[in-house]
Amino acid sequence: DAKTTQPPSMDCAEGRAANLPCNHSTISGNEYVYWYRQIHSQGPQYIIHGLKNNETNEMASLIITEDRKSSTLILPHATLRDTAVYYCIVRVALGNEKLTFGTGTRLTIIP
Amino acid sequence: KAGVTQTPRYLIKTRGQQVTLSCSPISGHRSVSWYQQTPGQGLQFLFEYFSETQRNKGNFPGRFSGRQFSNSRSEMNVSTLELGDSALYLCASSLVGNTAGNTIYFGEGSWLTVV
Repeated sequence: DAKTTQPPSMDCAEGRAANLPCNHSTISGNEYVYWYRQIHSQGPQYIIHGLKNNETNEMASLIITEDRKSSTLILPHATLRDTAVYYCIVRVALGNEKLTFGTGTRLTIIP
Repeated sequence: KAGVTQTPRYLIKTRGQQVTLSCSPISGHRSVSWYQQTPGQGLQFLFEYFSETQRNKGNFPGRFSGRQFSNSRSEMNVSTLELGDSALYLCASSLVGNTAGNTIYFGEGSWLTVV
Protein backbone atom coordinates (compact mmCIF):
# COMPACT_ATOMS: atom_id res chain seq x y z
CA ASP A 1 0.00 0.00 0.00
CA ALA A 2 1.15 3.53 -0.78
CA LYS A 3 2.54 5.71 1.96
CA THR A 4 0.64 8.81 3.04
CA THR A 5 1.83 12.07 4.59
CA GLN A 6 -0.35 14.16 6.88
CA PRO A 7 0.36 17.17 9.09
CA PRO A 8 0.72 16.04 12.72
CA SER A 9 -1.78 18.52 14.10
CA MET A 10 -4.33 21.16 13.11
CA ASP A 11 -6.75 23.47 14.87
CA CYS A 12 -10.11 24.61 13.59
CA ALA A 13 -12.70 26.97 15.06
CA GLU A 14 -16.04 25.46 15.95
CA GLY A 15 -18.59 26.00 13.17
CA ARG A 16 -15.96 26.50 10.49
CA ALA A 17 -14.98 24.01 7.82
CA ALA A 18 -12.05 21.77 8.73
CA ASN A 19 -9.84 20.90 5.76
CA LEU A 20 -7.44 18.03 6.38
CA PRO A 21 -4.81 17.43 3.68
CA CYS A 22 -3.16 14.16 2.75
CA ASN A 23 -0.35 13.51 0.33
CA HIS A 24 -0.15 10.13 -1.40
CA SER A 25 2.13 10.80 -4.33
CA THR A 26 2.96 7.12 -4.94
CA ILE A 27 -0.65 5.94 -5.15
CA SER A 28 -1.39 3.27 -7.73
CA GLY A 29 -4.31 3.28 -10.15
CA ASN A 30 -6.24 0.63 -8.25
CA GLU A 31 -5.77 2.11 -4.78
CA TYR A 32 -8.57 3.87 -2.98
CA VAL A 33 -8.18 6.72 -0.50
CA TYR A 34 -9.83 5.99 2.85
CA TRP A 35 -10.32 8.28 5.82
CA TYR A 36 -10.86 7.15 9.38
CA ARG A 37 -10.89 9.02 12.65
CA GLN A 38 -10.24 7.89 16.17
CA ILE A 39 -11.65 9.65 19.17
CA HIS A 40 -9.64 9.01 22.29
CA SER A 41 -9.88 5.43 23.58
CA GLN A 42 -12.36 4.36 20.90
CA GLY A 43 -12.01 2.23 17.79
CA PRO A 44 -11.32 3.97 14.46
CA GLN A 45 -14.47 5.23 12.79
CA TYR A 46 -14.86 5.02 9.03
CA ILE A 47 -15.58 8.40 7.44
CA ILE A 48 -15.41 8.19 3.66
CA HIS A 49 -13.46 6.75 0.77
CA GLY A 50 -12.95 7.39 -2.94
CA LEU A 51 -11.04 6.29 -6.01
CA LYS A 52 -10.77 9.35 -8.24
CA ASN A 53 -14.05 11.25 -8.08
CA ASN A 54 -14.96 13.59 -5.28
CA GLU A 55 -17.24 11.99 -2.72
CA THR A 56 -19.67 13.32 -0.14
CA ASN A 57 -21.64 11.68 2.61
CA GLU A 58 -23.41 12.79 5.76
CA MET A 59 -20.14 13.15 7.63
CA ALA A 60 -17.71 14.73 5.20
CA SER A 61 -16.54 15.44 1.68
CA LEU A 62 -13.47 13.99 0.04
CA ILE A 63 -11.70 15.96 -2.67
CA ILE A 64 -9.11 14.03 -4.70
CA THR A 65 -6.83 15.92 -7.08
CA GLU A 66 -6.94 15.02 -10.74
CA ASP A 67 -3.51 13.36 -10.60
CA ARG A 68 -4.63 11.50 -7.43
CA LYS A 69 -1.44 12.42 -5.63
CA SER A 70 -3.22 14.24 -2.83
CA SER A 71 -6.61 14.60 -1.24
CA THR A 72 -8.47 16.75 1.28
CA LEU A 73 -11.05 15.67 3.80
CA ILE A 74 -13.57 18.42 4.53
CA LEU A 75 -15.74 18.52 7.64
CA PRO A 76 -18.15 21.30 6.62
CA HIS A 77 -19.22 22.59 10.03
CA ALA A 78 -16.84 21.34 12.67
CA THR A 79 -18.13 20.67 16.17
CA LEU A 80 -16.30 19.87 19.39
CA ARG A 81 -17.15 16.21 18.84
CA ASP A 82 -14.99 16.23 15.72
CA THR A 83 -11.85 16.54 17.85
CA ALA A 84 -9.96 13.35 17.01
CA VAL A 85 -7.00 11.86 15.19
CA TYR A 86 -7.73 11.58 11.47
CA TYR A 87 -6.04 8.92 9.38
CA CYS A 88 -5.67 8.97 5.61
CA ILE A 89 -4.99 5.51 4.18
CA VAL A 90 -4.55 4.28 0.64
CA ARG A 91 -5.44 0.69 -0.05
CA VAL A 92 -6.22 -1.72 -2.83
CA ALA A 93 -9.82 -2.39 -1.90
CA LEU A 94 -10.19 -5.87 -3.35
CA GLY A 95 -8.33 -8.85 -1.99
CA ASN A 96 -6.64 -6.79 0.67
CA GLU A 97 -8.26 -6.32 4.04
CA LYS A 98 -5.18 -4.83 5.67
CA LEU A 99 -5.05 -1.16 6.63
CA THR A 100 -1.67 0.48 7.15
CA PHE A 101 -2.08 3.36 9.57
CA GLY A 102 0.33 6.26 9.73
CA THR A 103 0.47 8.75 12.57
CA GLY A 104 -2.50 10.78 11.32
CA THR A 105 -3.51 14.38 12.02
CA ARG A 106 -4.65 15.37 15.47
CA LEU A 107 -7.51 17.81 14.82
CA THR A 108 -8.55 20.03 17.69
CA ILE A 109 -11.78 22.01 17.41
CA ILE A 110 -11.55 25.27 19.29
CA PRO A 111 -14.75 26.64 20.91
CA LYS B 1 -27.56 -3.47 12.27
CA ALA B 2 -25.15 -4.23 15.11
CA GLY B 3 -21.55 -3.16 14.70
CA VAL B 4 -18.39 -5.09 15.43
CA THR B 5 -18.58 -6.37 19.00
CA GLN B 6 -15.54 -7.11 21.11
CA THR B 7 -15.34 -8.75 24.51
CA PRO B 8 -14.13 -8.19 27.10
CA ARG B 9 -13.71 -4.42 26.95
CA TYR B 10 -11.17 -4.25 29.76
CA LEU B 11 -8.98 -6.84 31.39
CA ILE B 12 -5.90 -7.09 33.55
CA LYS B 13 -3.52 -10.02 33.33
CA THR B 14 -0.25 -10.99 34.96
CA ARG B 15 3.02 -11.50 33.10
CA GLY B 16 3.32 -15.06 31.84
CA GLN B 17 -0.42 -15.65 31.64
CA GLN B 18 -2.33 -16.01 28.43
CA VAL B 19 -5.40 -14.14 27.21
CA THR B 20 -8.18 -14.74 24.71
CA LEU B 21 -10.12 -11.90 23.13
CA SER B 22 -13.34 -12.35 21.21
CA CYS B 23 -14.82 -10.56 18.22
CA SER B 24 -18.22 -10.80 16.55
CA PRO B 25 -18.20 -9.16 13.11
CA ILE B 26 -21.02 -7.24 11.51
CA SER B 27 -23.67 -9.65 10.27
CA GLY B 28 -22.74 -10.92 6.82
CA HIS B 29 -19.11 -9.85 7.04
CA ARG B 30 -16.73 -12.72 6.41
CA SER B 31 -13.36 -11.08 6.90
CA VAL B 32 -12.09 -10.33 10.39
CA SER B 33 -8.84 -8.53 11.12
CA TRP B 34 -7.04 -7.75 14.35
CA TYR B 35 -4.90 -4.74 15.21
CA GLN B 36 -2.78 -3.72 18.18
CA GLN B 37 -2.54 -0.09 19.25
CA THR B 38 0.14 1.16 21.64
CA PRO B 39 1.35 4.71 22.32
CA GLY B 40 4.79 3.89 20.98
CA GLN B 41 3.97 1.86 17.87
CA GLY B 42 0.57 3.21 16.88
CA LEU B 43 -1.96 1.02 15.11
CA GLN B 44 -0.41 -2.16 13.78
CA PHE B 45 -1.97 -4.99 11.80
CA LEU B 46 -1.84 -8.40 13.48
CA PHE B 47 -3.65 -10.78 11.12
CA GLU B 48 -6.71 -11.29 8.98
CA TYR B 49 -9.05 -14.26 8.68
CA PHE B 50 -11.46 -15.14 5.92
CA SER B 51 -13.50 -18.33 5.75
CA GLU B 52 -11.69 -19.71 8.78
CA THR B 53 -8.28 -19.28 7.11
CA GLN B 54 -5.56 -16.81 7.98
CA ARG B 55 -4.92 -14.82 4.80
CA ASN B 56 -2.53 -12.17 5.97
CA LYS B 57 -0.24 -11.74 8.94
CA GLY B 58 1.63 -8.81 10.38
CA ASN B 59 5.06 -8.79 11.95
CA PHE B 60 4.29 -10.14 15.40
CA PRO B 61 5.82 -13.08 17.31
CA GLY B 62 4.20 -16.49 17.36
CA ARG B 63 2.78 -15.78 20.82
CA PHE B 64 0.03 -13.93 18.98
CA SER B 65 -2.43 -16.23 17.28
CA GLY B 66 -6.00 -16.23 16.16
CA ARG B 67 -8.75 -18.25 14.66
CA GLN B 68 -12.08 -17.80 12.96
CA PHE B 69 -15.14 -19.94 13.35
CA SER B 70 -17.67 -21.01 10.73
CA ASN B 71 -20.03 -18.21 11.80
CA SER B 72 -17.20 -15.70 11.12
CA ARG B 73 -16.71 -14.92 14.79
CA SER B 74 -13.04 -14.69 15.69
CA GLU B 75 -10.77 -15.00 18.69
CA MET B 76 -7.21 -13.93 19.20
CA ASN B 77 -4.89 -15.36 21.81
CA VAL B 78 -1.71 -14.02 23.32
CA SER B 79 0.36 -16.50 25.26
CA THR B 80 3.11 -15.87 27.80
CA LEU B 81 2.10 -12.25 28.25
CA GLU B 82 4.76 -9.56 28.52
CA LEU B 83 4.44 -6.07 29.90
CA GLY B 84 4.80 -4.72 26.36
CA ASP B 85 1.64 -6.51 25.30
CA SER B 86 -0.38 -3.93 27.20
CA ALA B 87 -2.41 -2.29 24.45
CA LEU B 88 -5.76 -1.65 22.87
CA TYR B 89 -6.63 -4.63 20.69
CA LEU B 90 -9.00 -3.80 17.86
CA CYS B 91 -11.07 -6.10 15.73
CA ALA B 92 -12.35 -5.07 12.31
CA SER B 93 -14.66 -6.71 9.82
CA SER B 94 -15.48 -6.24 6.17
CA LEU B 95 -17.84 -7.53 3.50
CA VAL B 96 -15.33 -9.00 1.11
CA GLY B 97 -16.07 -8.81 -2.59
CA ASN B 98 -17.81 -5.47 -2.97
CA THR B 99 -16.53 -4.13 -6.26
CA ALA B 100 -17.23 -0.52 -5.25
CA GLY B 101 -14.45 -0.64 -2.73
CA ASN B 102 -15.33 -2.43 0.44
CA THR B 103 -15.12 -0.74 3.81
CA ILE B 104 -13.52 -2.06 6.96
CA TYR B 105 -15.36 -1.34 10.20
CA PHE B 106 -13.82 -1.42 13.65
CA GLY B 107 -15.05 -2.42 17.05
CA GLU B 108 -14.46 -0.42 20.23
CA GLY B 109 -11.53 -2.58 21.23
CA SER B 110 -10.36 -4.56 24.22
CA TRP B 111 -8.03 -2.81 26.63
CA LEU B 112 -5.43 -5.24 27.94
CA THR B 113 -3.18 -4.31 30.84
CA VAL B 114 -0.36 -6.69 31.76
CA VAL B 115 1.07 -6.26 35.25
